[in-house]
Amino acid sequence: QVQLVQSGAEVKKPGASVKVSCKASGYTFTSYGISWVRQAPGQGLEWMGWISAYNGNTNYAQKLQGRVTMTTDTSTSTAYMELRSLRSDDTAVYYCARDRGGYGYYMDVWGKGTTVTVSS
Amino acid sequence: QSALTQPPSASGSPGQSVTISCTGTSSDVGGYNYVSWYQQHPGKAPKLMIYEVSKRPSGVPDRFSGSKSGNTASLTVSGLQAEDEADYYCSSYAGSNIRVFGTGTKVTVL
Repeated sequence: QVQLVQSGAEVKKPGASVKVSCKASGYTFTSYGISWVRQAPGQGLEWMGWISAYNGNTNYAQKLQGRVTMTTDTSTSTAYMELRSLRSDDTAVYYCARDRGGYGYYMDVWGKGTTVTVSS
Repeated sequence: QSALTQPPSASGSPGQSVTISCTGTSSDVGGYNYVSWYQQHPGKAPKLMIYEVSKRPSGVPDRFSGSKSGNTASLTVSGLQAEDEADYYCSSYAGSNIRVFGTGTKVTVL
């Protein structure tokens, strides 16, 4: 079945970086993109950006430009999201989601989420 | 890239209908037929309920329907059931390969 399996919870200090992985299975990885979405405790969903698994093209939310990098490894069908210069307000659950890109701009399969805690 | 506006809460009795609005601008909701809706139960990942304004993925009950008029999209849940109690988020394409989510609506089944 189609699924996205994310890496485990992380605890980081302010100023550090975190890299979250998202391994896809059950579909042709390069036929879709991956969006990353985060949710701070008790807050709503925030779209962080999108990467095409076909050619690696990326688009990031304006507020995260310069701090976030999204990549893919097609040999292992894995997407990665790295966030740098972490602050306390980056504490959130980070989700990856299969994104249809230009074929509808919607997210139809989601990972279970990775909790990232930023604390000194 | 401002969040789309949703009412914080909505409620209805079992069997009734509830409609959630999602208001954006001509640069997002009003400009494209790429509005999607997600259901999220506490502690769980979001689930796609509606895409491209009014299409339902396989497995989503036909009690869920979507529509759009101008800069406002709507999700209607008919025949409310206890398991429909959840948070609901809209999302829209905003051009240049950018997506934006709504502020979220908590639906309570009375």
